[in-house]
Amino acid sequence: GAGVSQSPRYKVAKRGQDVALRCDPISGHVSLFWYQQALGQGPEFLTYFQNEAQLDKSGLPSDRFFAERPEGSVSTLKIQRTQQEDSAVYLCASSFPTREGQTTRTDTQYFGPGTRLTVL
Amino acid sequence: GESVGLHLPTLSVQEGDNSIINCAYSNSASDYFIWYKQESGKGPQFIIDIRSNMDKRQGQRVTVLLNKTVKHLSLQIAATQPGDSAVYFCAENLPNTGNQFYFGTGTSLTVIP
Repeated sequence: GAGVSQSPRYKVAKRGQDVALRCDPISGHVSLFWYQQALGQGPEFLTYFQNEAQLDKSGLPSDRFFAERPEGSVSTLKIQRTQQEDSAVYLCASSFPTREGQTTRTDTQYFGPGTRLTVL
Repeated sequence: GESVGLHLPTLSVQEGDNSIINCAYSNSASDYFIWYKQESGKGPQFIIDIRSNMDKRQGQRVTVLLNKTVKHLSLQIAATQPGDSAVYFCAENLPNTGNQFYFGTGTSLTVIP
């Protein structure tokens, strides 16, 4: 079966432009996560969805960052008025709850390949 | 302007040797840890996990050791293969914080054939 897919794989934006990054999770996976990975660093948590509900958005760095998952499957991360410091790889991960109806931290997260965003 | 690059710790090993990758985690309250492998151009891939009530856990060719006293994790890879070349991250999770993990900087492993 297909894994997590992300598009586009590469995005170049001029400073001030808005961008939208898409994540297609593994079919049937309830939970979806977004991470930001700067060059040479580990991923940093941005936000988390369970189905269509955004349960944690504490990692979003500013109000220019917005994520949605309106039908509980595909998710979009939108960054408004991009800045150079937004340049990073944006990773999406999904997981399936092993405990009925409840995702736990021990549920394996399956990561997509990421979208590399470069802001000029 | 001048750019400042972050240099990952690196480890080079001969094919067939054992590898040990170390990680110092930040929060003494963390009670669940995961090691991930990230190959170039790909997302991280789960390798093995360990809870804080354990000191050691073994998987296929991998062993994770946890020393809570000094907040240290290690990942041992037996009989390292060229396909093991990647960046390895440890990630920690605190109790009652849900699914939010904090990743370390990572170590770049290169296996020399």
